[in-house]
Amino acid sequence: NAGVTQTPKFRVLKTGQSMTLLCAQDMNHEYMYWYRQDPGMGLRLIHYSVGEGTTAKGEVPDGYNVSRLKKQNFLLGLESAAPSQTSVYFCASSPDRDREFFGPGTRLTVL
Amino acid sequence: RKEVEQDPGPFNVPEGATVAFNCTYSNSASQSFFWYRQDCRKEPKLLMSVYSSGNEDGRFTAQLNRASQYISLLIRDSKLSDSATYLCVVRLGQNFVFGPGTRLSVLP
Repeated sequence: NAGVTQTPKFRVLKTGQSMTLLCAQDMNHEYMYWYRQDPGMGLRLIHYSVGEGTTAKGEVPDGYNVSRLKKQNFLLGLESAAPSQTSVYFCASSPDRDREFFGPGTRLTVL
Repeated sequence: RKEVEQDPGPFNVPEGATVAFNCTYSNSASQSFFWYRQDCRKEPKLLMSVYSSGNEDGRFTAQLNRASQYISLLIRDSKLSDSATYLCVVRLGQNFVFGPGTRLSVLP
């Protein structure tokens, strides 16, 4: 099993550009999460999904959108990137809400 | 007040030392408790769940005090490979809430 994979690993955007981050898991997990991690701060939840076709807002959803059209994929979109969205983005999946399995992260810089 | 707070660190200890990390959480409705480990520029990985009765995994012991809303992690006989950031995590409803982490450096 590949576990949780994230694409791309690195990206540099200019202010105002858009992009989509892809998270894929092959463990048949129901729950999926998108976090951002900034220096000196814990991981903060952006959006999450409790199953295919469902999404919900987390702690810091503004400026992001998500979709979960297939159980194995959870997409995070930035419609108009801002420098404040420079961060490391982690995707995670969970089979039972008691354990999370993380992807390797995407390092995004917005200039 | 942050929902999950941890010792600010960093902790620099010699090999073989015993080190303890503390964590407090603010929401008494928190349901599950965990310690994760995160190596530099890597993803967090589950170290252990934490139960009210306390639990041990080799050199690692975790304790939970629900009345005080306090979680601890004890590492005995620390190894160089234990150097990492330790994240305290609680589950509240559908979501996991992460503390800011405490960095540990084990020195030769």
